Amino acid sequence: DAGVIQSPRHEVTEMGQEVTLRCKPISGHNSLFWYRQTMMRGLELLIYFNNNVPIDDSGMPEDRFSAKMPNASFSTLKIQPSEPRDSAVYFCASSPVGNTIYFGEGSWLTVV
Amino acid sequence: QKEVEQDPGPLSVPEGAIVSLNCTYSNSAFQYFMWYRQYSRKGPELLMYTYSSGNKEDGRFTAQVDKSSKYISLFIRDSQPSDSATYLCAPTTGNQFYFGTGTSLTVIP
Repeated sequence: DAGVIQSPRHEVTEMGQEVTLRCKPISGHNSLFWYRQTMMRGLELLIYFNNNVPIDDSGMPEDRFSAKMPNASFSTLKIQPSEPRDSAVYFCASSPVGNTIYFGEGSWLTVV
Repeated sequence: QKEVEQDPGPLSVPEGAIVSLNCTYSNSAFQYFMWYRQYSRKGPELLMYTYSSGNKEDGRFTAQVDKSSKYISLFIRDSQPSDSATYLCAPTTGNQFYFGTGTSLTVIP
């Protein structure tokens, strides 16, 4: 299996621009998670989906952040407009039955 | 109170040492306990997974869970430079995963 696939791996953008991060979960996994990791706060859960339905988005920092999962094999996390404090590593992860979770390699975002 | 508390370190040990990494948690509903290893500029990878109190061994790694005291440990025997990474504990209810902030470990040759 190819694992969780994320794109882009690295993105540098200017403040105010829209950023779209993409994720393809492992085939057959029915839960998908978006995390943000920073040195100060560690891994923070932003949102998770179960069977393509958003279950908990309480971690989404503000309305500038939105996530979608139009089908079982694709999800996006969008930041509009982006701000320098959004600079972080964004991880997508998927889970088969809820007792293990598998991460992608991350999308390294820098907003200047 | 945070769901999971983990000493961030950093921890530096000589090659061959026994390493002990620890977490405490507050939620009695946690049923599964995982340890992840994260190398620099990589995603976390699942290292070990346990369900109940007690010990689980996998090669040089032993995961220990004490539900009565809400304490999770990971022991690494005969540590190697390749073990240098950040280790994150992750208890879960089965639906929600909670991660510690991670302990940075360096094994010096």
